[in-house]
Amino acid sequence: NAGVTQTPKFQVLKTGQSMTLQCAQDMNHEYMSWYRQDPGMGLRLIHYSVGAGITDQGEVPNGYNVSRSTTEDFPLRLLSAAPSQTSVYFCASSYSVGRLQPQHFGDGTRLSIL
Amino acid sequence: GENVGLHLPTLSVQEGDNSIINCAYSNSASDYFIWYKQESGKGPQFIIDIRSNMDKRQGQRVTVLLNKTVKHLSLQIAATQPGDSAVYFCAGITQGGSEKLVFGKGTKLTVNP
Repeated sequence: NAGVTQTPKFQVLKTGQSMTLQCAQDMNHEYMSWYRQDPGMGLRLIHYSVGAGITDQGEVPNGYNVSRSTTEDFPLRLLSAAPSQTSVYFCASSYSVGRLQPQHFGDGTRLSIL
Repeated sequence: GENVGLHLPTLSVQEGDNSIINCAYSNSASDYFIWYKQESGKGPQFIIDIRSNMDKRQGQRVTVLLNKTVKHLSLQIAATQPGDSAVYFCAGITQGGSEKLVFGKGTKLTVNP
């Protein structure tokens, strides 16, 4: 099993550009989420999904969109990149909602906005 | 909501010593806590978890203690090794909601040989 796979690993964008961060998991997990990690801030939840076709906002959703058309994939879209979105982005998944269990993380996408 | 934080941003120990990393939380309704280890350039890696109906749980070289009275949990690492050097995060969750994990800011553990 590959677990949670994130692509790309690194990306540099110019202000105003758009892009999609990819996340895929092969564990048949229902729950998937996106976090951003900034120095001294820990991980903050951007968006999450409790199953295909269902998404909701986390703590810091502004400037990001998500969709969940399949169980496996949960892409994160930056509509118009801003320097404040420079961060490391992590995707995570867990088996199902309602069962207390750990989330499994990918290795992150390091994004710089110039 | 949950507010989870770490007492100290850094911790330095000698190889072979025991390490204790502390974490405080604010929501007494929190059901579940997880400790993650994050090495440089990697995503958080699950270490150990504990449910609110327990006060202690042990794994391989690690023990988590939960004190619900003072809303505090700790991660104890026995015989700390250089490979334990990383940032450690505690995270809390409340069941029945959206399964949102709330993370503390992390403690950087450095193991000196």
